[in-house]
Order: sequence, then structure tokens, then C-alpha cells
Amino acid sequence: DQQVKQNSPSLSVQEGRISILNCDYTNSMFDYFLWYKKYPAEGPTFLISISSIKDKNEDGRFTVFLNKSAKHLSLHIVPSQPGDSAVYFCAAFGKNQGGKLIFGQGTELSVKP
Amino acid sequence: GAVVSQHPSRVICKSGTSVKIECRSLDFQATTMFWYRQFPKQSLMLMATSNEGSKATYEQGVEKDKFLINHASLTLSTLTVTSAHPEDSSFYICSALLANTGELFFGEGSRLTVL
Repeated sequence: DQQVKQNSPSLSVQEGRISILNCDYTNSMFDYFLWYKKYPAEGPTFLISISSIKDKNEDGRFTVFLNKSAKHLSLHIVPSQPGDSAVYFCAAFGKNQGGKLIFGQGTELSVKP
Repeated sequence: GAVVSQHPSRVICKSGTSVKIECRSLDFQATTMFWYRQFPKQSLMLMATSNEGSKATYEQGVEKDKFLINHASLTLSTLTVTSAHPEDSSFYICSALLANTGELFFGEGSRLTVL
């Protein structure tokens, strides 16, 4: 049972435009949602997170939106840069799960100059 | 910020040998560490939760006798892939939980290739 889903395996965007990465989840008990960025042959690096009690969190070019009724979150990158090209994973966890993260399948973002 | 280091970053071994991967939290104590595995083009799959001083908790489908996890100190967890086979070739990643903030910090990952 896939509790966190990223239905788009890849996304291609022109430099300077907006990148929107989507993520859906099934467990309404999740407390936090996180986005990680991963380059090939490296560990994932934390990007941005959002608490389940909020609907938006912004950090520079990155904004995460949470729609709890739809069990959907999205990551917006504006403006997109070629260095943003990587695989993006959304992840979720509940406080009663001891920090165990449940990951989506990842979306490979390609930002073209 | 908090740093988690994995060693080795790359390892190539012959089929049938055992390989040990270390995960260290460099500037904080981590009572809980997690081990993940990633196949190409796939998500990070949680293999097990490693708790300092106690047995690891394995996810369903992960062979505990195949993937030995030891968390002997508050800064070190090790994953040993025993009698490795080509199908064990993968990217293994650890993470450490900073208990007072609930943040997770990831290691750089270790790429295992079994010939």
C-alpha cells in the first residue's frame, strides 16, 4: 500500500519558469510533510517542510502548499534554474512513528536552459 | 548543521562476501537511525529502524539475517550485507534522528556493486 504517491515520474521545465511537483497521500494521521532533493549517487538533502496544521510554507524560491482535504501537497519552484535539475521526493511522517519517513516514488525534474 | 557520514561511499565486492557500511552522526547523538535502500528510478525504501542498544526493527520483506544492523553507540550504526549477491547491488542510505527537534539528517549514501 503506497501511502505517499508521486504520480509524475518526470517533469521538464524551461529555465525561469515555474516548476510544480505534486504529491498525494492516503494517511490522514501524518503530522509533517517534507521535500527532499537528490542528485545521482548522493544522499537526499532536505529542502522544505510543512506542518499538517499549515497550508503554505515559503523559503526563497521554494513554496510548499498543503491541501489536507484533498490529501495533496505540491512544491513550487520559482524561478526554476538548471541547478534545480534533480529527483525530488516528498515524504511524510507521523509523530507516533518515531521519525520514520514514508517516501513517494520521486519526480525527476529537468530544467532546460 | 548536523552531519551524518556514511562509509564507504562506494564498494565493489564478489558474490558471497559480506560488506559492512557505517553510518555516523558527527556532531550529535542519535538514539534512532534508519537504513534505506534505493533501486534505480525508484523511491527510497525503508529497510529498518536502528535503535541504540537494542535490536533493529525490520520492515516487512527485509531479511534480518541478510541485512545485519548494529547500533552499538549513540553515534554509530552499521549495516552488514551478508553473503552478498548481485541482486543486493543498490544504493544504501542512512539517516539519523535528532531527537530534540525531530529532524532527520541523511548520509551521503553508499553504492554497493556485487559482481
